[in-house]
Amino acid sequence: ETGVTQTPRHLVMGMTNKKSLKCEQHLGHNAMYWYKQSAKKPLELMFVYSLEERVENNSVPSRFSPECPNSSHLFLHLHTLQPEDSALYLCASSRSGEGLETQYFGPGTRLLVL
Amino acid sequence: KQEVTQIPAALSVPEGENLVLNCSFTDSAIYNLQWFRQDPGKGLTSLLLIQSSQREQTSGRLNASLDKSSGRSTLYIAASQPGDSATYLCAVSTYSGGGADGLTFGKGTHLIIQP
Repeated sequence: ETGVTQTPRHLVMGMTNKKSLKCEQHLGHNAMYWYKQSAKKPLELMFVYSLEERVENNSVPSRFSPECPNSSHLFLHLHTLQPEDSALYLCASSRSGEGLETQYFGPGTRLLVL
Repeated sequence: KQEVTQIPAALSVPEGENLVLNCSFTDSAIYNLQWFRQDPGKGLTSLLLIQSSQREQTSGRLNASLDKSSGRSTLYIAASQPGDSATYLCAVSTYSGGGADGLTFGKGTHLIIQP
């Protein structure tokens, strides 16, 4: 148990759907992250939140919209996705956003866009 | 832009062997380097974190070294076991001046330990 949970674990959606991924951390951390893991590509950083403020958007298309209502919860809102967006989406958290501490990862949401 | 390369991409060895996984990065201005393990269909488990001022870290049968100036790290696994079979990922936290930084990952080494 890593202390970082993600729901749903699997999601199938059409290109016209709107869905949201949820991440929750129970570790008392102040920074949260979204990563995308596609087949045969390295894990890619998408967004970083530190103390509920977005501090990094790694050139992610606007069809992905993050939300961090408090330091324990992070959402990724999805709309009008493309088949190439099918991937494993991983959430992580760390004590601070200063790049000094271990990041703890959730189990991921496996997304399939039809 | 930071790039992380891991060699080999895949490795299959008999149980009991000692083995070395390699990681290199292009920008030496890093905060730290982490080694993770990922089992199929699952998230990442942190194995070792080496701060930029450190040269190595050890945990059980695992030992990770860091040569920041040359942009290299190795993960040494002693007396390998079938339960060590997984994908091993190397990641660096790079100083960007903005404070909060995500990690830059390599593609990983897929390790199989044969019983």
